[in-house]
Amino acid sequence: AQSVTQPDIHITVSEGASLELRCNYSYGATPYLFWYVQSPGQGLQLLLKYFSGDTLVQGIKGFEAEFKRSQSSFNLRKPSVHWSDAAEYFCAVVLYSNYQLIWGAGTKLIIKP
Amino acid sequence: GAVVSQHPSWVICKSGTSVKIECRSLDFQATTMFWYRQFPKQSLMLMATSNEGSKATYEQGVEKDKFLINHASLTLSTLTVTSAHPEDSSFYICSAGLAGSYEQYFGPGTRLTVT
Repeated sequence: AQSVTQPDIHITVSEGASLELRCNYSYGATPYLFWYVQSPGQGLQLLLKYFSGDTLVQGIKGFEAEFKRSQSSFNLRKPSVHWSDAAEYFCAVVLYSNYQLIWGAGTKLIIKP
Repeated sequence: GAVVSQHPSWVICKSGTSVKIECRSLDFQATTMFWYRQFPKQSLMLMATSNEGSKATYEQGVEKDKFLINHASLTLSTLTVTSAHPEDSSFYICSAGLAGSYEQYFGPGTRLTVT
């Protein structure tokens, strides 16, 4: 069955440090993958997506993600985090059959001053 | 482009009453709209998928008579929580998709509190 796993419930990073949020997927075909960010009490904002082509995808706010088929992973990275990056981050894969998104449980990013 | 709005952004209602939440795609035509529910500190739970002019498809465990979804036009879908109870209090989020696109565009969410 299709699934998305975000192994880290929360991650604490110092401001200015680098960040990597993990995402692993289980899907029978080449996946379409997304990373979304949600600030408290807000809706979701698309950070980046991978459909095909270059496996290193650039997104908004300085984020990037790398699709690694061999590891079934789509980890999100940022070289230097800002306090405003504190939020919940969700990884998702779309089902081709019905366009539904399969969501990871989310990772809460906490920024230490 | 691809902006989705929700109204209201928050609502408080009394137990037993019904409340309607609107989801609009402002600058595109959405053939498919999705309704999610999000509990505190949890991921999104898909409630139903609606296609314009068709009956919504509800996920297992979601009561279709309690959560009425109408997708009357390509830019508007509504979710009506009927006979609301405190356990229906939650954050409801809609999203909209373009025909043939796998990307969903999300509304800002509606916080429902039932007293």
